[in-house]
Amino acid sequence: DQQVKQNSPSLSVQEGRISILNCDYTNSMFDYFLWYKKYPAEGPTFLISISSIKDKNEDGRFTVFLNKSAKHLSLHIVPSQPGDSAVYFCAAESGSARQLTFGSGTQLTVLP
Amino acid sequence: DAGVIQSPRHEVTEMGQEVTLRCKPISGHNSLFWYRQTMMRGLELLIYFNNNVPIDDSGMPEDRFSAKMPNASFSTLKIQPSEPRDSAVYFCASSGKYSYEQYFGPGTRLTVT
Repeated sequence: DQQVKQNSPSLSVQEGRISILNCDYTNSMFDYFLWYKKYPAEGPTFLISISSIKDKNEDGRFTVFLNKSAKHLSLHIVPSQPGDSAVYFCAAESGSARQLTFGSGTQLTVLP
Repeated sequence: DAGVIQSPRHEVTEMGQEVTLRCKPISGHNSLFWYRQTMMRGLELLIYFNNNVPIDDSGMPEDRFSAKMPNASFSTLKIQPSEPRDSAVYFCASSGKYSYEQYFGPGTRLTVT
């Protein structure tokens, strides 16, 4: 039973445009959400996070939106750059457990 | 500032052999996590330690897998005996006491033939 789902295995966007990566979750106990970026042959790198008490968190070109009622979060990258091409993982945590549950990842390709 | 260090980066071994993967967490972090990544199952948590004590090992596949954390700066994941289905990338991650973010090492790619 996948508690964190990323339904799009891949996404291609043009350089300079917006990339939107989506993530859905089923466990209402999750109260903290994170996005990781992963390049080939490297470990996942923490990108941005959001607490369940917020609906938006912004860091430079990256913004994460959380819709608790829909159990949905999204990562917006504006403007997209070729160096953003990587696999993006959504992860969720319930505070007491201190464990991350990962989605299956979305391969983002930014075309020059 | 060094991140999480894992060794070896690549390991090729024959079925039945013992494999030991090593991890040095970020200095000052008190939680350590072992993950496995496969095409079929994605990133899955195997075990995690808090203050060197195993807290949850429910993700460990079977008794062939064991993990230890003898001190705050070192952990091992051992597979004995190894099987071809253990082939995967194994990641170690650590996090600080008041942080939800986990920081990952570069991983060990294990191939069991």
